[in-house]
Amino acid sequence: NAGVTQTPKFQVLKTGQSMTLQCAQDMNHEYMSWYRQDPGMGLRLIHYSVGAGITDQGEVPNGYNVSRSTTEDFPLRLLSAAPSQTSVYFCASCGTANSPLHFGNGTRLTVT
Amino acid sequence: AQTVTQSQPEMSVQEAETVTLSCTYDTSESDYYLFWYKQPPSRQMILVIRQEAYKQQNATENRFSVNFQKAAKSFSLKISDSQLGDAAMYFCAYRGSDKLVFGAGTILRVKS
Repeated sequence: NAGVTQTPKFQVLKTGQSMTLQCAQDMNHEYMSWYRQDPGMGLRLIHYSVGAGITDQGEVPNGYNVSRSTTEDFPLRLLSAAPSQTSVYFCASCGTANSPLHFGNGTRLTVT
Repeated sequence: AQTVTQSQPEMSVQEAETVTLSCTYDTSESDYYLFWYKQPPSRQMILVIRQEAYKQQNATENRFSVNFQKAAKSFSLKISDSQLGDAAMYFCAYRGSDKLVFGAGTILRVKS
């Protein structure tokens, strides 16, 4: 029972590079989301999806793209990395609205 | 847009004592869910307690209880008989009809 699998765990990028953070869940959850965690700012919602083919912006979407072609996968793309995107990123999913979020283990991204 | 505010960046409590963490939120929705999550240094996110807005009774989970004031849009967490293992970052979270958003977090320190 894998839950939410998020890769990679660590990544270092140079300014201007692009990359994709992978997120997959095997619980048939409709809701999936990406957060970034920065000191003193909590977890801020980047993008979320309430089902396959449906995505929407969260609080801090600029510089990031997502897609949801399947129920299982919800990748996060950084188009042109900037130092301001240095953060810890979490993918999370849940079933019904009152069920708890299942989190991935996080990705620590550093942009130099 | 829904927002969640945690006004206490840091709190301290003596072991075995009681502490209350504050959370307020802003929403125009009438049906929603509220959560408290705990994040220890391992970075893992752990659900502490949840509350459905349509339920007037305050949720309780062992030493953890909430004071839910719907009209005031307040959702505080009370930790009784504090233990060293309670030391962590605590996040308040709101989920309405679509997305789930978090507050900035409160660091709880437990003194022995």
